[in-house]
Formats: sequence, structure tokens, C-alpha cells
Amino acid sequence: DGGITQSPKYLFRKEGQNVTLSCEQNLNHDAMYWYRQDPGQGLRLIYYSQIVNDFQKGDIAEGYSVSREKKESFPLTVTSAQKNPTAFYLCASSKTGGYGYTFGSGTRLTVV
Amino acid sequence: AQTVTQSQPEMSVQEAETVTLSCTYDTSENNYYLFWYKQPPSRQMILVIRQEAYKQQNATENRFSVNFQKAAKSFSLKISDSQLGDTAMYFCAFMNDAGANSKLTFGKGITLSVRP
Repeated sequence: DGGITQSPKYLFRKEGQNVTLSCEQNLNHDAMYWYRQDPGQGLRLIYYSQIVNDFQKGDIAEGYSVSREKKESFPLTVTSAQKNPTAFYLCASSKTGGYGYTFGSGTRLTVV
Repeated sequence: AQTVTQSQPEMSVQEAETVTLSCTYDTSENNYYLFWYKQPPSRQMILVIRQEAYKQQNATENRFSVNFQKAAKSFSLKISDSQLGDTAMYFCAFMNDAGANSKLTFGKGITLSVRP
């Protein structure tokens, strides 16, 4: 079955460390997205990519980086520059045509 | 920039009754798409219903229907015959176009509790 896989489900990071969240899809979707979810804040867009080797900053890109070397993969790195990284991170993909997104199951990142 | 507003942070409904969740949005576009997503305690985001702005007919999916008022920029979700499994957070979302630069803008969500 096609879908989006995010890993790991839970991730703990020490202060000053970079961590990378994985997102893989086998839906053959062109576009992929990373959102951050905090209580009372809804979902806020971090980065998105419409095609391989190209990506754009979203509303809260500071302290994050991404790559899109393959159509299927869109990893997110949370750098030490991100001041408050503890949050729930959702990856999504979409095809063109206004059909909305298919979401992964999310990664809960906690700074310890 | 588009904005999506969900003004009610929480709602509660008795099982088998009907509940309506409100959403308003702001845009200068004429053609766009609106969505309601459900996030149960598992935190998996699930698409509930989709509306194309150029279609006057309100979308329906089984017990879920919308009241789309384009002039008022309002997009409410009605859940009929509420079930315990409807307990979740519900997000209203807006997509400005269907092309290469499309992306969703979400409201802050509403927590719905269905009481037995």
C-alpha cells in the first residue's frame, strides 16, 4: 500500500545537537512538506519542495534545513540554532490538482 | 497572505446529536480549495472533506457535510449522528491553487469531545 513513513516516532535531542527526521513516500507525489505542531498553534509550515533538488522556506524555517535528492525522500534537520525544537513534526505529500495532503504519522521531538 | 480562523477552541456534543464546527478564511483569490482534517488521539491527520470554491454545491461525505458560504468566506463542518470515534481535533485548511505552488494554510484547530 502507498503511504508516507516518518521515523523515528519519538526522538530525544540534547542541547546543541543536530537531529534529522526522516520522511519517505511511495505515492509518486511531486510535492512534499514539513509542518510543526505546537499546542494551540495549529500546523505551521517549515519547508516545502515541489520538485527534486528544489525547496522553499515556509513560515518558520529558521533553525531548520532540508534536502530533496530523491522524489521519495524529504528529510528535515533540526539544527542547534532552533531555540525551541520540542514539538510534534508532520511530513506530508501531495499531487497537483487541489486534492490536499497525505500525512505521515509524525515524529515527537523532545529536547533533554 | 491567506489566513484561516477557527474561533472556538473546544466543543462538546452528546453521542448521536449533531454539531457544527466553524471556520472563516481570508483571501483575495477567486478559485481555491477548502478542507477539514481530523486528528484523533493517535495524532494521524485524516482528510474528512474537501470543497472546491468554484462549485456551489456543498460537499458531503457520509455523516459529514459542509456549509460553504463563499461571499461570507465561511466554511463550517456539520457532523451528524455524532459517534465516540469522532472525538478528535479538527483543522480547517485553505489551499490557494492547484498548481505547483499550492500549499495548505491551517487554522489553529478545535478540540471536539463526544460524550457517551
